[in-house]
Amino acid sequence: EVQLVESGGGLVQPGGSLRLSCAASGFTFSTYDMHWVRQIIGKDLEWVSGIDTGGGTHYPGSVKGRFTISRDNSKNSLYLQMDSLRAGDTAVYYCTRGRDRTTLMDYWGQGTLVTVSS
Amino acid sequence: EIVMTQSPATLSVSPGERATLSCRASQSVNSDLGWYQQKPGQAPRLLIYAASTRATGIPARFSGSGSETEFTLTISSLQSEDCAVYYCEQYKDWPTFGQGTKLEIK
Repeated sequence: EVQLVESGGGLVQPGGSLRLSCAASGFTFSTYDMHWVRQIIGKDLEWVSGIDTGGGTHYPGSVKGRFTISRDNSKNSLYLQMDSLRAGDTAVYYCTRGRDRTTLMDYWGQGTLVTVSS
Repeated sequence: EIVMTQSPATLSVSPGERATLSCRASQSVNSDLGWYQQKPGQAPRLLIYAASTRATGIPARFSGSGSETEFTLTISSLQSEDCAVYYCEQYKDWPTFGQGTKLEIK
């Protein structure tokens, strides 16, 4: 069974940093592209980063230069380093698996809440 | 960026009736279109990919159609457990999602 379990969310002040982790199991992690998607509470979904099997990384303009995605295949783990956080980054962050080398998300974790507030 | 627009924002359907949800892309995405279901307090779940292929374990009452810029998700006979928000996603380019359609039981 595919499982994705996020951790590391919490309350952080504007301008601060936070590192999210995602523990993957039930599949060969190294052979899948992985992504982070966020959702402002009850609202829109926004893709915030992706990393392919070769370690190539991709970001939308809204987070480029502030967020860094990485992976450790030896630990079956995905990470998201978030710096210079803003109130608008407040959301639930989901770890997702990309299907067949696309950005279609076939499995999602349960999410971790990040709140940016003073 | 490809903008995805869903309609209606809210849909009320009686049990056993058909529900039809729409998704429009601002430019062609070929058939690189997925549909997700999200229930309160849960993560989205993949229902449909490649515009019309059901994901593993998805009941046959869910079907998808369309190509290029116009897509439809149909639930042939609505069950109470189908109450949820439904999102479309294009993955032809860097992924973008529609704003969702909330499906309610009438």
